[in-house]
Amino acid sequence: DTEVTQTPKHLVMGMTNKKSLKCEQHMGHRAMYWYKQKAKKPPELMFVYSYEKLSINESVPSRFSPECPNSSLLNLHLHALQPEDSALYLCASSQGQGQSNQPQHFGDGTRLSIL
Amino acid sequence: KNQVEQSPQSLIILEGKNCTLQCNYTVSPFSNLRWYKQDTGRGPVSLTIMTFSENTKSNGRYTATLDADTKQSSLHITASQLSDSASYICVVRSYAGNNRKLIWGLGTSLGVNP
Repeated sequence: DTEVTQTPKHLVMGMTNKKSLKCEQHMGHRAMYWYKQKAKKPPELMFVYSYEKLSINESVPSRFSPECPNSSLLNLHLHALQPEDSALYLCASSQGQGQSNQPQHFGDGTRLSIL
Repeated sequence: KNQVEQSPQSLIILEGKNCTLQCNYTVSPFSNLRWYKQDTGRGPVSLTIMTFSENTKSNGRYTATLDADTKQSSLHITASQLSDSASYICVVRSYAGNNRKLIWGLGTSLGVNP
């Protein structure tokens, strides 16, 4: 079992739906990340939160909206997604964004399918 | 251009055999190099992190090497097990001022057959 928990594991939604992905960690990490991963490709960074503040947005379309309610939780709100947004969405955490020699701990992801 | 290249793209070996995966990078400035293992349908799991001054680091049956002069790294797997079947991804962290980035390779897909 991973120390980063993501829910749901699978999500199928239509292009007009609104849904949210959730991520939780209890390791006391202060940096949390959202990645998007397509099949047979490496993860692509979407957002970074450091001490509950958004520090990096990698030019992600506004139909993806991140939220960090507290230091343990990270949400990704989805609205009006496109079929090309179908992918595995991974959450990760690390002790701090600036602590370069610490690993990122990944959850097992949410497999998202857009109809 | 910052790049991480891995070889081979895929590899199949018999259970119990050893194998070595390669990673070449052109990332600058260099902060550290990481190897991750990703099982199908799971998130990546960190195997090792190596800084500029470290030549070798082990994690159980996994041993990573780093040659910062030639910008090459390898991951050696000893006495392979069926559970080693996964994608192995080399990731290099670059650090320039406030701009910290992870540059990911495309991975080597390893299959271990009985």
